[in-house]
Amino acid sequence: AQSVTQLDSHVSVSEGTPVLLRCNYSSSYSPSLFWYVQHPNKGLQLLLKYTSAATLVKGINGFEAEFKKSETSFHLTKPSAHMSDAAEYFCVVSDTTGNQFYFGTGTSLTVIP
Amino acid sequence: KAGVTQTPRYLIKTRGQQVTLSCSPISGHRSVSWYQQTPGQGLQFLFEYFSETQRNKGNFPGRFSGRQFSNSRSEMNVSTLELGDSALYLCASSLQGQGYEQYFGPGTRLTVT
Repeated sequence: AQSVTQLDSHVSVSEGTPVLLRCNYSSSYSPSLFWYVQHPNKGLQLLLKYTSAATLVKGINGFEAEFKKSETSFHLTKPSAHMSDAAEYFCVVSDTTGNQFYFGTGTSLTVIP
Repeated sequence: KAGVTQTPRYLIKTRGQQVTLSCSPISGHRSVSWYQQTPGQGLQFLFEYFSETQRNKGNFPGRFSGRQFSNSRSEMNVSTLELGDSALYLCASSLQGQGYEQYFGPGTRLTVT
């Protein structure tokens, strides 16, 4: 069975400092992994995805994530936080068919001016 | 390409009533998934349709049902509404197969009074 665990329910950073949002996954096969962002009262937007190509994945808005099979992790990072990054972030794994997504519980990112 | 659209965006219903939500996927996408998002339970998978057939189903009571039309548009119906059904209902469309990301609509905010 597939599952994801987002290790922090809430993260606060100062503007201009690095962002690290942690995600561990559980999968019996080589997974497809995604990070989505949700701004208040909006739908989800894809930030980046991993599908067994390069382990370091670059996404939109300066975000990137590294797939580490040995640690079963897919942490999301950004070198310098911007106020507009304040949102809810979801780590997602798909099943073998790609037809069903399993969402983490989300990490709320606050950016302090 | 137009994104995923959902109608209506906001809805207020009374306990015991029924409601139908609509989702139009991105052109060419044949997979449509529905999710319920609440502060307490997070994002929960309702069901997924592909080519008018329900392929996957989450753990929701039979009051929640859906269908997909030949043009891939999908509807979700909730009968005998309960206060706990108040939530943001998100629709996502996708090309089939592992590694394909889901594209989300803005959601329908349902309030049950």
